[in-house]
Amino acid sequence: QVHLVQSGAEVKKPGASMKVSCKVSGYTFSNSALHWLRLAPGQRLEWMGWINAGNGNTKYSNKFQDRVTITWDTSATTAHMELSTLRPEDTAMYYCAKWAIFEEVIIPGAFDPWGQGTPVTVSS
Amino acid sequence: EIVMTQSPATLSVSPGEPATLSCRASQRVSTKLAWYQQRPGQAPRLLIYGASTRATGVPARFSGSGSGTEFTLTISSLQSEDFAVYYCQQYHYWPPYTFGQGTKLEIK
Repeated sequence: QVHLVQSGAEVKKPGASMKVSCKVSGYTFSNSALHWLRLAPGQRLEWMGWINAGNGNTKYSNKFQDRVTITWDTSATTAHMELSTLRPEDTAMYYCAKWAIFEEVIIPGAFDPWGQGTPVTVSS
Repeated sequence: EIVMTQSPATLSVSPGEPATLSCRASQRVSTKLAWYQQRPGQAPRLLIYGASTRATGVPARFSGSGSGTEFTLTISSLQSEDFAVYYCQQYHYWPPYTFGQGTKLEIK
């Protein structure tokens, strides 16, 4: 069974950077992709970007293009998402998620499962 | 960017009764539409993909319909564990994938 386990809560000051990790188990990471999303208070879910674990390529939302970096560590089967120049409005729950796979068929664009979430607070 | 609009924002329904949630896309997204359930303190859970296909393990009381720009999630008989927030998401045009603002389903 696939599991995504994220790192713990973060508290950061404006202008700082944060790095959240997502450890993957239960499937062949190199054959899939890992996405990062967030849910800020009173806002809708936002897709931030993804990494294609097969070739290491990344794609980011225009909103975060200048501030986000997604990487992966093959040996640790862990993906990382770094967000720089933090602002109070970056306070949110951050999630990793992978494309759903049912009966060995990938459903590109539908997310399942999700990590448990990492709460990030940005405050002076 | 595709804008997803859900209605209503809050829906009050009694246990055992049906519930119908709506989602509209600003452009046609074919059937590339997913529904998620989020309970308090939990991550979102995929319920429906392809507009109408239930994810593995999702009870049959959940059903999805629609194509193009108009979509519906129906819960035939609400159970206590169904009271949660529901999100729709389009995956026809990306980046970025986009979500609705959510419908909170509460006990009447």
